[in-house]
Amino acid sequence: KQEVTQIPAALSVPEGENLVLNCSFTDSAIYNLQWFRQDPGKGLTSLLLIQSSQREQTSGRLNASLDKSSGRSTLYIAASQPGDSATYLCAVLTGANNLFFGTGTRLTVIP
Amino acid sequence: EADIYQTPRYLVIGTGKKITLECSQTMGHDKMYWYQQDPGMELHLIHYSYGVNSTEKGDLSSESTVSRIRTEHFPLTLESARPSHTSQYLCASSGTGVAKNIQYFGAGTRLSVL
Repeated sequence: KQEVTQIPAALSVPEGENLVLNCSFTDSAIYNLQWFRQDPGKGLTSLLLIQSSQREQTSGRLNASLDKSSGRSTLYIAASQPGDSATYLCAVLTGANNLFFGTGTRLTVIP
Repeated sequence: EADIYQTPRYLVIGTGKKITLECSQTMGHDKMYWYQQDPGMELHLIHYSYGVNSTEKGDLSSESTVSRIRTEHFPLTLESARPSHTSQYLCASSGTGVAKNIQYFGAGTRLSVL
């Protein structure tokens, strides 16, 4: 069964710093990997999706990489802002459209 | 922006009550999903549907049931709520074509059973 792990569980950084969130998965047979943002009391917002054949995706200050063979992905956030404070979830898509989620990294950006 | 709605947002209810969590999407998506998320834990898929009259159980066993009578509507029902059902329930949907593997999520329903 696919298992997704995210480290660290929580992270606090001062505003303006660059940071990296890590995600690892046990079964490399995935269709894609997604990074989501979850704000308290709200649903999930998809940030980036990397297809299994891709190595990275970029959107604004966010860059996600995927190394499928080693079962790892990173989310790089440049020049962090207080508005980036949220929980970041990674999820891998396997057969039957099943998404397997990690437990998330709770990010706090301190002004 | 994705158009998927869940009601109620919050629900506090006593043990033994029957409850239905609503999920609707206006995107015409065929596939819909229900996830359960306990505090500090991962989201787990509990139900999914490929289209009208299709329902399947996910990888986490759940005492809830679902129905898919209309494309846009995928309600989740608990016949007799118990404190162990206290959790956040998230609904999602996905379409076809280029974006078929992107799931759009609702805001969730936070359920507390006393």
